[in-house]
Amino acid sequence: SQKIEQNSEALNIQEGKTATLTCNYTNYSPAYLQWYRQDPGRGPVFLLLIRENEKEKRKERLKVTFDTTLKQSLFHITASQPADSATYLCALEGAYNFNKFYFGSGTKLNVKP
Amino acid sequence: DGGITQSPKYLFRKEGQNVTLSCEQNLNHDAMYWYRQDPGQGLRLIYYSQIVNDFQKGDIAEGYSVSREKKESFPLTVTSAQKNPTAFYLCASGTSRPDTQYFGPGTRLTVL
Repeated sequence: SQKIEQNSEALNIQEGKTATLTCNYTNYSPAYLQWYRQDPGRGPVFLLLIRENEKEKRKERLKVTFDTTLKQSLFHITASQPADSATYLCALEGAYNFNKFYFGSGTKLNVKP
Repeated sequence: DGGITQSPKYLFRKEGQNVTLSCEQNLNHDAMYWYRQDPGQGLRLIYYSQIVNDFQKGDIAEGYSVSREKKESFPLTVTSAQKNPTAFYLCASGTSRPDTQYFGPGTRLTVL
C-alpha cells in the first residue's frame, strides 16, 4: 500500500534561517504533490502544488522540489519567521486515481525569535 | 464571503447514536471530500464525491455514510457501527486538475 513519510519530530530553527522539510513516499507514482499548512485546531491551507514533470516550484519565500527518482519532495521556507510556526503536510494525488489524495502525518515547525 | 463551512465546531454524542456532520461550500467546486484526523496522524480519506449524486469510498469508509444531493452540500453521518468515532473531521472541496483542496474549519466529535 502507499506510504508517505514525513519527519514526526518537530523541526526547531532560529528566525531568519531556512527551514527544510522532507516528504518521502513509496509504492506510489503521484502525478501531483502538494504542500499544506495546518495550524492547531484548524483545517489545512493549500500552499504549493508541483507536477511530476517539474523539478522545482517557488512562491515568495517558499520553494518545493520534487525528485521522482528518489521519491522525495523537499519544502523550503527561507528567511523563516515565528509566524511560519505550524504543521506542514504533504499530499499526493495519483495519475490515474483522480481526486483521491494521500496525506503524510505532517512535520511541526517551530521558528524561534 | 466564499468558502467552506462546517458545523458544529464541537459535537458531543453518546455511544451508539448516529450523528450527522454538515459541510457546505459556495466555491462552485465539483469535488468534495471528508477526512478524519487523529492526534499525530495524517488525514485519512473517508469518502469523496466528484459530482452530484455520486460518491466513492476512501480508505476508512466503514461506519460512515454520505450523500451528495446538491453540489454545495456533502453531509457525513457517523453511524454507531464506527468503532472509534472520536476524532477531528475535516471537509474539503476541490478544483479540477490540477487538483487543489480547500478545507473547512473542522468538526471535533467526541463520543462519550
